[in-house]
Amino acid sequence: DQQVKQNSPSLSVQEGRISILNCDYTNSMFDYFLWYKKYPAEGPTFLISISSIKDKNEDGRFTVFLNKSAKHLSLHIVPSQPGDSAVYFCAARLREGAYSGAGSYQLTFGKGTKLSVIP
Amino acid sequence: EADIYQTPRYLVIGTGKKITLECSQTMGHDKMYWYQQDPGMELHLIHYSYGVNSTEKGDLSSESTVSRIRTEHFPLTLESARPSHTSQYLCASSESRGYTFGSGTRLTVV
Repeated sequence: DQQVKQNSPSLSVQEGRISILNCDYTNSMFDYFLWYKKYPAEGPTFLISISSIKDKNEDGRFTVFLNKSAKHLSLHIVPSQPGDSAVYFCAARLREGAYSGAGSYQLTFGKGTKLSVIP
Repeated sequence: EADIYQTPRYLVIGTGKKITLECSQTMGHDKMYWYQQDPGMELHLIHYSYGVNSTEKGDLSSESTVSRIRTEHFPLTLESARPSHTSQYLCASSESRGYTFGSGTRLTVV
């Protein structure tokens, strides 16, 4: 049962326009969410995160929105640049006291969305 | 500058060989992880460690083994490589703010 879902395997956007990547989760015990960016043959790199006590976090061209009632988060990239072309993974962490398996700090990842920004 | 290092970056090896993928971190993190990822697929947790002398299997069954004798070092070993082990292997360590990943090892077993 997949607890973190990225339903769009791929997304193509024109350079300069907005890219919106979506992520849904099913476990209400998640309280911290992250986005990672991954280029081929490299490890994922941290992009931006948001705590469940917030509904928005912004860092330069990247903004993450969290809708707790809908169990949905989205990553907005404005303006999109060709260098943003990569696979983006959404990840979630359980709140303290709700751990299992690898315990605290273990992240549950979505399957990723491949973003292509067309020049 | 990377704080978590994986070697080798690329490895092509014959079936039946024993291999060890190295992972080291300089951040003093107790928690470390190994993930396996095929192109276009999700990240699968295959091993994790809470600290020295602590190792556990992850969600995805794997024929590999790991050890954690030192905090900074978390190597992964395949005793007898097979073509089905061809994949990208990602090592990560974590603290409260999230994971730091290494650059990965792309393993091809021929």
